[in-house]
Amino acid sequence: DTAVSQTPKYLVTQMGNDKSIKCEQNLGHDTMYWYKQDSKKFLKIMFSYNNKELIINETVPNRFSPKSPDKAHLNLHINSLELGDSAVYFCASSLHGLPRGEQYFGPGTRLTVT
Amino acid sequence: AQTVTQSQPEMSVQEAETVTLSCTYDTSESDYYLFWYKQPPSRQMILVIRQEAYKQQNATENRFSVNFQKAAKSFSLKISDSQLGDAAMYFCALTDSWGKFQFGAGTQVVVTP
Repeated sequence: DTAVSQTPKYLVTQMGNDKSIKCEQNLGHDTMYWYKQDSKKFLKIMFSYNNKELIINETVPNRFSPKSPDKAHLNLHINSLELGDSAVYFCASSLHGLPRGEQYFGPGTRLTVT
Repeated sequence: AQTVTQSQPEMSVQEAETVTLSCTYDTSESDYYLFWYKQPPSRQMILVIRQEAYKQQNATENRFSVNFQKAAKSFSLKISDSQLGDAAMYFCALTDSWGKFQFGAGTQVVVTP
């Protein structure tokens, strides 16, 4: 049973393309997140949705647009991909979005922009 | 603003020995939680241990334990009886009242036979 799943796990694409990464959780959580892990392994939060409502929106280029069709899904769409977008993107989920809710992470999507 | 600092980029330990990873943090919140996550080469982020700031007792999970010093804003992780499978990047993390996680830069743990 996969708790938090992401597709695809690997994505190689050219500059200027538009791509999407999908995330689904079957834990019954109501809050989902997207993180970016750069080449130095630094993890930085990008977005968070609670019950389909955007609650955290860090300083991220507006080429990145999250979409939450329901509370079990949070997809990340990236327009006009740039070389600097190459990274590993992690989806995560938690219950209530409160401090006590530890986050469960997906396996990550390695995005390579050429 | 919250910050989490891990000052050790890499720590090496022999099998069966003990290693301690340091983490300091800063937050203006009174209610917060601290976590240690492990990221092995498989890339999966795995929760190792968590600590509620209001609890004075240090959390333990099998061979993993923390030394939580609230006044000093310190949250170190001790791995006892280290095993080869413990080799991974370890991240210290802090959440605020919004549930937003702030991660440290990570400490790479190398386990030698």
